[in-house]
Amino acid sequence: EPEVTQTPSHQVTQMGQEVILRCVPISNHLYFYWYRQILGQKVEFLVSFYNNEISEKSEIFDDQFSVERPDGSNFTLKIRSTKLEDSAMYFCALNRGGSSYNEQFFGPGTRLTVL
Amino acid sequence: QKEVEQNSGPLSVPEGAIASLNCTYSDRGSQSFFWYRQYSGKSPELIMFIYSNGDKEDGRFTAQLNKASQYVSLLIRDSQPSDSATYLCAVRRGNEKLTFGTGTRLTIIP
Repeated sequence: EPEVTQTPSHQVTQMGQEVILRCVPISNHLYFYWYRQILGQKVEFLVSFYNNEISEKSEIFDDQFSVERPDGSNFTLKIRSTKLEDSAMYFCALNRGGSSYNEQFFGPGTRLTVL
Repeated sequence: QKEVEQNSGPLSVPEGAIASLNCTYSDRGSQSFFWYRQYSGKSPELIMFIYSNGDKEDGRFTAQLNKASQYVSLLIRDSQPSDSATYLCAVRRGNEKLTFGTGTRLTIIP
């Protein structure tokens, strides 16, 4: 059984539009992460979220990006004004367990296509 | 810049043979080390993780870690066609982000 699901599985949008990607954990977790993978490239870290606050963000995570946990369970990534180069797979990930050496599991991803 | 290096491949291995995948990392503060398998168009699937020097075995998979050499490897015994995928090496400190390599594409030849 998957630890986390993501919706939508595929999002097509016009450049300049806002998109919201959702991550739904199966059970309570404290640590969440968003990564992206542009086609043919490596998985890149975007942002980590711990105890309802951003704990770390990468250079990619500029003012166009935001994360929220609007209802205490779902975890969202918003891109305010999409650009062509935002086209990628976006993965939510979470830790299993509470120790420092935790396995990190990935959701199935959302494929974002910006036209 | 903290880097994780992998040979991009493709690495071709006959069915039933041992596949050996290698990874080096630059951040000496890295504490845990992961191998993910990724099929085309799918998300990374965790297959092994290790945090102590030495070997860790799980079924057909063995992860090997040498922190002094900053080297992690993955051995796949009795390779099967279903093992054909891209294998991603990732490292992290504590509960921080994963830093990934570019992955090694493995093809098992029937």
